[in-house]
Amino acid sequence: ETGVTQTPRHLVMGMTNKKSLKCEQHLGHNAMYWYKQSAKKPLELMFVYSLEERVENNSVPSRFSPECPNSSHLFLHLHTLQPEDSALYLCASSQDRLAGVDTQYFGPGTRLTVL
Amino acid sequence: DQQVKQNSPSLSVQEGRISILNCDYTNSMFDYFLWYKKYPAEGPTFLISISSIKDKNEDGRFTVFLNKSAKHLSLHIVPSQPGDSAVYFCAASGLDFGNEKLTFGTGTRLTIIP
Repeated sequence: ETGVTQTPRHLVMGMTNKKSLKCEQHLGHNAMYWYKQSAKKPLELMFVYSLEERVENNSVPSRFSPECPNSSHLFLHLHTLQPEDSALYLCASSQDRLAGVDTQYFGPGTRLTVL
Repeated sequence: DQQVKQNSPSLSVQEGRISILNCDYTNSMFDYFLWYKKYPAEGPTFLISISSIKDKNEDGRFTVFLNKSAKHLSLHIVPSQPGDSAVYFCAASGLDFGNEKLTFGTGTRLTIIP
């Protein structure tokens, strides 16, 4: 596979469940990102990892827990979510943290529904 | 407070005509602006960008215009083609306490009518 892949593509979970979103990039990039796209709202940057180290956390609630075990993989662990967390979660990667913003490559997203 | 605004959630344009998508921003610290295109079930893809030192950037059928005094930018697509039907996101970039931040608008759904 090439580019940025995300699994699962769709996820329905209850508020007491624990689940994880997975992102994998096959581009040899060193920076990875999690974004949230809610209906009728702008795309929001959640987390940024550079060389497996978290460099940015935009006031995201602790019920979202990112993990970056290596430069190719990024996870978003979810627990005790709220219905308002239902959204499209997009992963992106770029060559490095300082690369221009127009060089971020996005995955197809995971559509999350919290019941 | 939304710093990047796309006030038109949808736009329909006849094939062959010009499509004009608008975007307004409020933060004068933004110095780089981008347009992304998103098809259903896919992630956004970068389309075209413009630096604040320019007022126009052209790439094929796509032209972005920047009016800094009005804090307004627009994307022109001419001639419009059916494959241009997608959601278009405007984004603005600038330094925020030393970190580069990218702020997106809510998107405009463009439909090209054959």
